[in-house]
Parts: sequence; C-alpha cells; structure tokens
Amino acid sequence: EVRLVQSGAEVKKPGESVRISCQASGGTFTNYWVAWVRQVPGRGLEWMGRIDPTDFYTRYSPAFRGHVSISIDNTNNIAYLQWSSLRASDTATYFCTREYGGNPPALWGQGTQVTVAS
Amino acid sequence: EIVLTQSPDFQSSTPKETVTISCRASQSIGSSLHWFQQKPGQSPKLLIKYVSQSMSGVPSRFSGGGSGTDFTLTINGLEEDDAATYYCQYSTADTPAFGGGTKVEIK
Repeated sequence: EVRLVQSGAEVKKPGESVRISCQASGGTFTNYWVAWVRQVPGRGLEWMGRIDPTDFYTRYSPAFRGHVSISIDNTNNIAYLQWSSLRASDTATYFCTREYGGNPPALWGQGTQVTVAS
Repeated sequence: EIVLTQSPDFQSSTPKETVTISCRASQSIGSSLHWFQQKPGQSPKLLIKYVSQSMSGVPSRFSGGGSGTDFTLTINGLEEDDAATYYCQYSTADTPAFGGGTKVEIK
C-alpha cells in the first residue's frame, strides 16, 4: 500500500528559503501527478500546483506562481515544494497529494507545518 | 477559473438529524465535483467522487447529488463521528479548486 510521507515541521524567518518533501513510501509516483495544497490555520484548502513526473511539466495556480517551485526526484520517488524567500503569510500546513488526469486526489500526505516568524 | 461557493459555513445539528451542504460552481462543471471530509489534525479524506460515487468504506449515510453548477452533500442520520469540516472540490487537468468548507458541529 502506497503512502505519502512528508518531511517534518519547519520554523523559518521572513526572507529565508526552505524546501519540504513528500516521498511515496511503498510505491512510486509513476502514472500520477504530484500536487501541493495549502491550508492556512483555521482556513480552507488551496490548490497550489502540480508536477508531472513523466516530463517534469509543472502547472501553478495564479495565486502561487512565481513564489513557489515544485520539483521531483524520480529516482528516489520524492517530490519537493520550495520557497526562495518566505513571507509571514506562508505560515500554513502544506499537503502533498497524488492526482491524475482530472481525477480527485484520493491519496494525501500527513501534512507539513511551515511557520514563518521573525 | 472556476470558483466554488459552499453554504453554510457552519452547521450545528443534533445526532440523527439530516444535514445538507451546498456547493455552487461559478460555471457548469459537469460531474467533476467531489467531497472531502477533514477532521482536526488530519489530512482530508475523499468521501464522494464525481458527484455521487461513494468511496470504499464510506458509511451509506453520506450521499452526493446535483449537476451543472449546483451540488449537495447529504448526511442522513448524523453521528458524533461526523463532526468535521467538509469541502467540495472541482478536479481538472487545468487548475482545480476547493470550496471554502463547511464545519459541521454535533450538538
């Protein structure tokens, strides 16, 4: 049974960079896209973007384009979400999901808490 | 870009009641509408896909309906374990969207 295992919580200062990860344990990302979803404390879910492991094509929601970067290491079945310059407003829990071709994401990681504070 | 609007934002009901949550799309989305349940401290869980297809293991008291722009999630016979926030989602190969969520409280 495939599980998505995410990296641990991060505490950063504004302007710092960070990269969080999502590993497919017990399987691969083959035939699936990997997407990231943000949840600000006490608020709803926001789809951020996704990557296709086959050709590394990425698509971002307009709200996140240019501020985050999604990448993938197919050799080790690890997907990444990274920021080069964090803002306090990036404080949230981030979930990775597995999706494909317009189907809903049935598999989710456990979430990674990112806190940005001076 | 599709926008999903859920109502109500919050619902407080007693056990055994029937709860209906609405999700309205800004334009017709066919049947690409799904429902998730999220409990505090947990990841969202896919309950119903493509309007009305229940996922394996989901209790039969959960059902979905609708078409075009208006969709509903119904819980027939609310139970304590149903306390959670429910989200609708539009899935697409373009840019998916989530509704704002409906928090269901059990009185």
